[in-house]
Amino acid sequence: EDQVTQSPEALRLQEGESSSLNCSYTVSGLRGLFWYRQDPGKGPEFLFTLYSAGEEKEKERLKATLTKKESFLHITAPKPEDSATYLCAVQFLRTGGGNKLTFGTGTQLKVEL
Amino acid sequence: NAGVTQTPKFQVLKTGQSMTLQCAQDMNHNSMYWYRQDPGMGLRLIYYSASEGTTDKGEVPNGYNVSRLNKREFSLRLESAAPSQTSVYFCASRLTKVKGTDTQYFGPGTRLTVL
Repeated sequence: EDQVTQSPEALRLQEGESSSLNCSYTVSGLRGLFWYRQDPGKGPEFLFTLYSAGEEKEKERLKATLTKKESFLHITAPKPEDSATYLCAVQFLRTGGGNKLTFGTGTQLKVEL
Repeated sequence: NAGVTQTPKFQVLKTGQSMTLQCAQDMNHNSMYWYRQDPGMGLRLIYYSASEGTTDKGEVPNGYNVSRLNKREFSLRLESAAPSQTSVYFCASRLTKVKGTDTQYFGPGTRLTVL
């Protein structure tokens, strides 16, 4: 069964303290990997899509990278407004039609002053 | 553009009651999805519609039915609600392209409690 695992479950950072979130997936063939941000009481908000190993995407203080078995979301000099739950989702090659995604359980990030 | 909208935002039901969750998108997307989100479980796909006129089961379809009313609207119906269906429900939509995968965009969610 294809699985997506995110770590850590929760992360507390001081403002300006850079760190990385991890998303690993079973190596059955990846069609695409997606990062979302979710604020409390809101729906997931799209951040990045990565398609192949070696690919990188950046947006403000966030940078997503992809290898053959995992993805990292690097957060550089975070601010309190970066506090949220970050979700990783994978479309595996053998999910068939419909672009079905398998989601991890998320990393809850809190950035303190 | 409102994106993906969902109604209602909150709902409390008694066991055995029925209700329909509504979803609409104004992005001219082909595909639409219904997910549920439970603590520690991640988002799980209930049903999806790859295009107008088609629907398919996802990972957790039992106890639910769906209707793709037109290209814009995709509804989720609970015929006889059970406490196990207490959850947050998200609708999403996606534009189908010829090549590659494309992002799913999510609505704000419906918080459902079944007593």
